Amino acid sequence: EDQVTQSPEALRLQEGESSSLNCSYTVSGLRGLFWYRQDPGKGPEFLFTLYSAGEEKEKERLKATLTKKESFLHITAPKPEDSATYLCAGYNYGQNFVFGPGTRLSVLP
Amino acid sequence: DGGITQSPKYLFRKEGQNVTLSCEQNLNHDAMYWYRQDPGQGLRLIYYSQIVNDFQKGDIAEGYSVSREKKESFPLTVTSAQKNPTAFYLCASSIPGGGNEQFFGPGTRLTVL
Repeated sequence: EDQVTQSPEALRLQEGESSSLNCSYTVSGLRGLFWYRQDPGKGPEFLFTLYSAGEEKEKERLKATLTKKESFLHITAPKPEDSATYLCAGYNYGQNFVFGPGTRLSVLP
Repeated sequence: DGGITQSPKYLFRKEGQNVTLSCEQNLNHDAMYWYRQDPGQGLRLIYYSQIVNDFQKGDIAEGYSVSREKKESFPLTVTSAQKNPTAFYLCASSIPGGGNEQFFGPGTRLTVL
């Protein structure tokens, strides 16, 4: 069964304290690994898609990387406005997205 | 502006009542999806549609029904057969196939009283 797990469940950082979020996946025939940001009470907002191991993508303070078993979302010098829940999802050959439970990030000023 | 709208934002229902959640998109996407989100869990797929007049059950379709009569619209009905309907419901759309990113609506929070 396809599965996506994320760790930690919650992360509290001081402003400027860099860290990484982990997404581990067992998705048959992975066709893409997606990262989304979700603010409380809102729909997820797309961040990145990674298609093959070794691929990296960056956007402002965020960088996503992909290996054959996991993906990392690195946050460099975070700001309070980066506080959100970060979701990852694998897209499989059945043409469905399998979402992880998310990591709730809090960045304190 | 292109996007996805969901209405209402908050919905209250008495047990035993059916209720329909609206989802409209003007992104010209063929594929549309309905997810349910519960605290501490990932998004779970209820139904999806790759094209007008066709839709498929997702992982948790029991107690739900959908229709896709127009490309822009994909309403979800939560029936009285759904045992635990209180949740946050998200609609999404995408270009079908190839793992293209999904665009999400703002969500509807349904509470059963």
